[in-house]
Amino acid sequence: KQEVTQIPAALSVPEGENLVLNCSFTDSAIYNLQWFRQDPGKGLTSLLLIQSSQREQTSGRLNASLDKSSGRSTLYIAASQPGDSATYLCAVMSGSARQLTFGSGTQLTVLP
Amino acid sequence: NAGVTQTPKFQVLKTGQSMTLQCAQDMNHEYMSWYRQDPGMGLRLIHYSVGAGITDQGEVPNGYNVSRSTTEDFPLRLLSAAPSQTSVYFCASRILRNEKLFFGSGTQLSVL
Repeated sequence: KQEVTQIPAALSVPEGENLVLNCSFTDSAIYNLQWFRQDPGKGLTSLLLIQSSQREQTSGRLNASLDKSSGRSTLYIAASQPGDSATYLCAVMSGSARQLTFGSGTQLTVLP
Repeated sequence: NAGVTQTPKFQVLKTGQSMTLQCAQDMNHEYMSWYRQDPGMGLRLIHYSVGAGITDQGEVPNGYNVSRSTTEDFPLRLLSAAPSQTSVYFCASRILRNEKLFFGSGTQLSVL
């Protein structure tokens, strides 16, 4: 059974700092890995999707990398802003039914 | 284009009551799914559907029923609510051949 772990569970940084969020998964037979953002009381918004054949994806100040063989992904946020404060979840798509398995998220607070 | 719409946003039930959580999407997505989100456990898949008339179980289906009579709607039914079903419920949809998932804003359910 696929398991996804995100460390740390919470992170607080000063504005302007570059930061890295970590995600690990137990079964490397994945189709893709996705990073989502969740604001309090809201649904999830897709940030980046990395196919299993790719090593990284970039969108603005966000860069996600994937090392499938080691079962790891990182989300790099450059020059963090208070508006980046949210919970970030990673999820992997795997299995014959191509379902997403989610990590429990990292709650990020960027202090002004 | 409203995306994925969930109703109600909040609901309080007594143990043993039944209710239906509504989910509708206007993007003509074949795939629709229901997740529950509990503190520290990430999102877990309850049921999903790949098209009208087709439904299947996810990771935690017990106590929930679904049906898919139209492409647009995918209601989730709690037959006899239990305190263990207190959670935040999310509906999500996507095009089958595209793996990007779109989420509704969630329903917060409390069972007393």
